[in-house]
Amino acid sequence: AQKITQTQPGMFVQEKEAVTLDCTYDTSDPSYGLFWYKQPSSGEMIFLIYQGSYDQQNATEGRYSLNFQKARKSANLVISASQLGDSAMYFCAMRPFNAGNNRKLIWGLGTSLAVNP
Amino acid sequence: DADVTQTPRNRITKTGKRIMLECSQTKGHDRMYWYRQDPGLGLRLIYYSFDVKDINKGEISDGYSVSRQAQAKFSLSLESAIPNQTALYFCATSRGHGYTFGSGTRLTVV
Repeated sequence: AQKITQTQPGMFVQEKEAVTLDCTYDTSDPSYGLFWYKQPSSGEMIFLIYQGSYDQQNATEGRYSLNFQKARKSANLVISASQLGDSAMYFCAMRPFNAGNNRKLIWGLGTSLAVNP
Repeated sequence: DADVTQTPRNRITKTGKRIMLECSQTKGHDRMYWYRQDPGLGLRLIYYSFDVKDINKGEISDGYSVSRQAQAKFSLSLESAIPNQTALYFCATSRGHGYTFGSGTRLTVV
């Protein structure tokens, strides 16, 4: 079964510290993409970072990096130097690239991150 | 202007009413999606469309219908709204690896 698991319903981090949000995935497809999205309290869904299963290097986008461990099927999001504006829900998602998937994203249930001043 | 625009942003409607949620995009993407978000259930796919002539059911299409009026427009209808359709609804587009979401429509059915 295709599945995304985010085991941390809620996380706290002190401002300016780094935090890791966990994501594990399950798929039998050899080729897939992994995504992280941020959803602030205002509700919009903001794309953060993407990792392809065949990418040799871990993805980075500014303060966001993705710790991709293919053998362990994990794709953890690392946020460095946390800011108060990082307080939000964070979702991990996967898109298997098989022909039958048709670009459908499979979503985790999210992790709520609170950044303390 | 936003790349993906959803209207309305918020809507309260009565049980049994027909309601349409609209989505328009300026990304030029062929693929469009409607998702529903409920607390504790994450995002679930309602319908998706790969082009104007292609409409596909997602995992929770019962009680919903869609129309792809043009490449840039994809609307979602609730034919007879019921309270358990109260949720946050997202429209999204994609090309390649990139997905772009609208700001969401918060629908309450009373």
